Amino acid sequence: QQQVKQSPQSLIVQKGGISIINCAYENTAFDYFPWYQQFPGKGPALLIAIRPDVSEKKEGRFTISFNKSAKQFSLHIMDSQPGDSATYFCAAREGTDKLIFGTGTRLQVFP
Amino acid sequence: GAVVSQHPSWVICKSGTSVKIECRSLDFQATTMFWYRQFPKQSLMLMATSNEGSKATYEQGVEKDKFLINHASLTLSTLTVTSAHPEDSSFYICSASFPGRGNTIYFGEGSWLTVV
Repeated sequence: QQQVKQSPQSLIVQKGGISIINCAYENTAFDYFPWYQQFPGKGPALLIAIRPDVSEKKEGRFTISFNKSAKQFSLHIMDSQPGDSATYFCAAREGTDKLIFGTGTRLQVFP
Repeated sequence: GAVVSQHPSWVICKSGTSVKIECRSLDFQATTMFWYRQFPKQSLMLMATSNEGSKATYEQGVEKDKFLINHASLTLSTLTVTSAHPEDSSFYICSASFPGRGNTIYFGEGSWLTVV
């Protein structure tokens, strides 16, 4: 499988701060880049997604920044809240709806 | 609300028995569904692609005779773990893309399998 590299592995942020998670990919054929949020014991929930023809997408406190030339994309969580504490996965689609996942980032937001 | 549903949420079975997990797309038809496996504190690993009306496509290293996939209708895919062993204990998750929402990919709630 093509790899999607995700960092950091874990992240601790104070309430109100900005959480930033980064991902990088190699396959230029990827055409869809979603981010998923997963709470313990639950399936991944779609958070926000972007296509490579857009450099930034914002939905509420969540923003994806996409750098096509660098083959990198990142998730920014503004005004992080304790309820945001979860594991976040970036992913990339190969065009047949097959998703390749990053390794995940465990985010902890402390009050 | 949920667009992809899985059942059961958790199941415990004895070693050597088979267990079936269902994945349903709600309010949309999914010609393709995907099955993933996730170990604690690890990422999701794609096991197979479930194709309606045809054989599933398995990822390298996944035993097709052990993990039987059936996609008999446009809204239902099933994963059967045959002759389960304790090492098959894991979190199994399915996904499907929703054509009416730009092929956004949604996941089910997951199914915890414990083999004792």
